[in-house]
Amino acid sequence: AQKVTQAQTEISVVEKEDVTLDCVYETRDTTYYLFWYKQPPSGELVFLIRRNSFDEQNEISGRYSWNFQKSTSSFNFTITASQVVDSAVYFCALGGLNRDDKIIFGKGTRLHILP
Amino acid sequence: KAGVTQTPRYLIKTRGQQVTLSCSPISGHRSVSWYQQTPGQGLQFLFEYFSETQRNKGNFPGRFSGRQFSNSRSEMNVSTLELGDSALYLCASNQGTRSVGEAFFGQGTRLTVV
Repeated sequence: AQKVTQAQTEISVVEKEDVTLDCVYETRDTTYYLFWYKQPPSGELVFLIRRNSFDEQNEISGRYSWNFQKSTSSFNFTITASQVVDSAVYFCALGGLNRDDKIIFGKGTRLHILP
Repeated sequence: KAGVTQTPRYLIKTRGQQVTLSCSPISGHRSVSWYQQTPGQGLQFLFEYFSETQRNKGNFPGRFSGRQFSNSRSEMNVSTLELGDSALYLCASNQGTRSVGEAFFGQGTRLTVV
């Protein structure tokens, strides 16, 4: 069965600190996608990144970086120099490569950035 | 380019009633997916429509149904509402030719069943 676990339910850090959100997944598929989404208070999910299971290169986008480790089935997300605007719920998700494959979301991590 | 539009934003219904939620995808997008978000269960996939056909379905009872029109707009219907159906219902659209995960989400419809 497919499963995504985000063990951290809620995290609070002071602005400018770095913070890492953990994501561990389970799948029997050999090829798959992993995703991260941000859900601000307004409610919509904002797509942040998609990672193909073929590609274990880490990715950096501004203050955001992602560490994909297939050996430990983890896809962690780090925000450096956090800002108050980063406060949101963050979801990790797992999906198939086919366009009609559904995706499985983790329960989310609520991140509070304190000024 | 307009984003994904969901209407209404908020809804209060009584147990046993039925409800219809609407989703207008981004222009040109042919795939619409629906998700239910609750504090206890998190985000759960309901179904996906592509070109007016249901392409995938989650594990929800038959009280939850949907459809997609020729203009790609989609509606979701829940019949015989239960208290546990109270949730944020999110709609997501994408072109349909890419992974369903690379989607644009609406702001959701918050349904409260009393």
